[in-house]
Amino acid sequence: FMLSQAHSVSESPGKTVTISCARNSGSIASNYVQWYQQRPGSSPINVIHEDNQRPSGIPDRFSGSIDKSSNSASLTISGLAPEDEADYYCQSYDNYNRVIFGGGTRLTVL
Amino acid sequence: QVHLHESGPRQVKASETLSLTCSVSGGSITSKDHSWAWIRQPPGKSLEWVGSFYYSGHTYYNTSLQSRLSISVDTSKNEFSLTVTSVTAADTGMYFCAKSPIHCVGDNCYFRNLFDSWGQGTLVTVSS
Repeated sequence: FMLSQAHSVSESPGKTVTISCARNSGSIASNYVQWYQQRPGSSPINVIHEDNQRPSGIPDRFSGSIDKSSNSASLTISGLAPEDEADYYCQSYDNYNRVIFGGGTRLTVL
Repeated sequence: QVHLHESGPRQVKASETLSLTCSVSGGSITSKDHSWAWIRQPPGKSLEWVGSFYYSGHTYYNTSLQSRLSISVDTSKNEFSLTVTSVTAADTGMYFCAKSPIHCVGDNCYFRNLFDSWGQGTLVTVSS
């Protein structure tokens, strides 16, 4: 299966933004979804794992969810800060432990 | 805290073999609690999973790359390596090694397929 993300999104500081990740076949609920933040020139950082779990050290401004009706996952960032400007990737896997990444969404904080 | 560090040649000629090594510190690659992975990123593009392994011998490869891939382990050096044969320009990119937690229920262990620690990456360019 594939995971599709919007190429880019922009929002103002202090606002809330939602980044979506659509799964094209099979249920989004079949396998957990993770989210990574990658700032320019840096390695990715896991910000949400297993659909909606936040690793320690990640601000509670970051939240994740899945929607079975649209077969998609979402990453929501509230109270946008300049340091949130980055590329965000969703990731899941199939029942054979093959890992799939989405195409990534570039978040610009205006 | 586990640290990962990739090393290898920065440039490889097309049709030749690429070999990269990931050195792990602060934890053992034979730990029952973790699996290990290679992930790459072509310039300006998304992340692409290359393959994962568990110390017990379970190894999973990206299907589209599988015929050219091999992941090996050197437990004495606490490092693991990636070999990619017959490289082309499409293999150019940043190569990351990463750690993934394992979930065990009794004697049954499962890949969680999330990457909670990453190396800083090493950029490889395939030249013609």
